[in-house]
Amino acid sequence: GENVEQHPSTLSVQEGDSAVIKCTYSDSASNYFPWYKQELGKRPQLIIDIRSNVGEKKDQRIAVTLNKTAKHFSLHITETQPEDSAVYFCAASSNTGNQFYFGTGTSLTVIP
Amino acid sequence: GAVVSQHPSRVICKSGTSVKIECRSLDFQATTMFWYRQFPKQSLMLMATSNEGSKATYEQGVEKDKFLINHASLTLSTLTVTSAHPEDSSFYICSASMGAVGSGNTIYFGEGSWLTVV
Repeated sequence: GENVEQHPSTLSVQEGDSAVIKCTYSDSASNYFPWYKQELGKRPQLIIDIRSNVGEKKDQRIAVTLNKTAKHFSLHITETQPEDSAVYFCAASSNTGNQFYFGTGTSLTVIP
Repeated sequence: GAVVSQHPSRVICKSGTSVKIECRSLDFQATTMFWYRQFPKQSLMLMATSNEGSKATYEQGVEKDKFLINHASLTLSTLTVTSAHPEDSSFYICSASMGAVGSGNTIYFGEGSWLTVV
C-alpha cells in the first residue's frame, strides 16, 4: 500500500510564529491529501485538504501546498496560537481511491 | 457535516473474552468504513477497509480471525476483538465515507473507543 512519511515528529514554536509540517508519499496515483488535527483521545478533525489538480490551498491561517512531481505536500500554519497545539496527521488516498494512509504524526506545541 | 458515532467510548474486558465496537453513520449512507488502531502518541494504523455487503479487506499483519469486521448495512459496521489479550489494549477508531475517497468524498471519523484488556 501507500507509504506516507511525515516530518518533523515534534515541533515547538513561539506563539505568533509559523509552523510547517511536511509529508511525502510513495504512490504517484494518490490524488487526495487531507490534513487532520487530533487532540489526545479524540477523533481527528479535518482542517484542510488538497486534491491533485491544485497546487496550493489556503484557509485563513492554514495553507497546504502540493508538489506532485516530487510527491510531497506541506501544511503551513501562520500566526500560531496556543490552541493550535495538537497532533497533526497528513494522509493520502490509495491508487484505488478507496483507502486512507496516515503519516506518523507531528506533535505541535505553541509556546505562549 | 456528516456525523459518525462510535460506541462504546470506553470498555474494559477480561483477557480471553470478546468485545464488540460499533460504528454508525448517523445522517448518511457509508458505502465504505475504515477501522484504525492507535497507540498513545502514535499514528493511526489502518487495520481494514469494509464495504457494505462485502468481506473486509485487511491490511498486512492484521489477523482477520481476531479482528472480525462486519459491515451489514450502509450505516453500521462492527469490529469484534475476539479472545482479547492485554496487548490488544488500544484506541480503536472508525471512519466512514459516502464513496470512494479519490472520487471526491471526504471521510468522517467516529469518536474512538478505548479498549483495556485486563
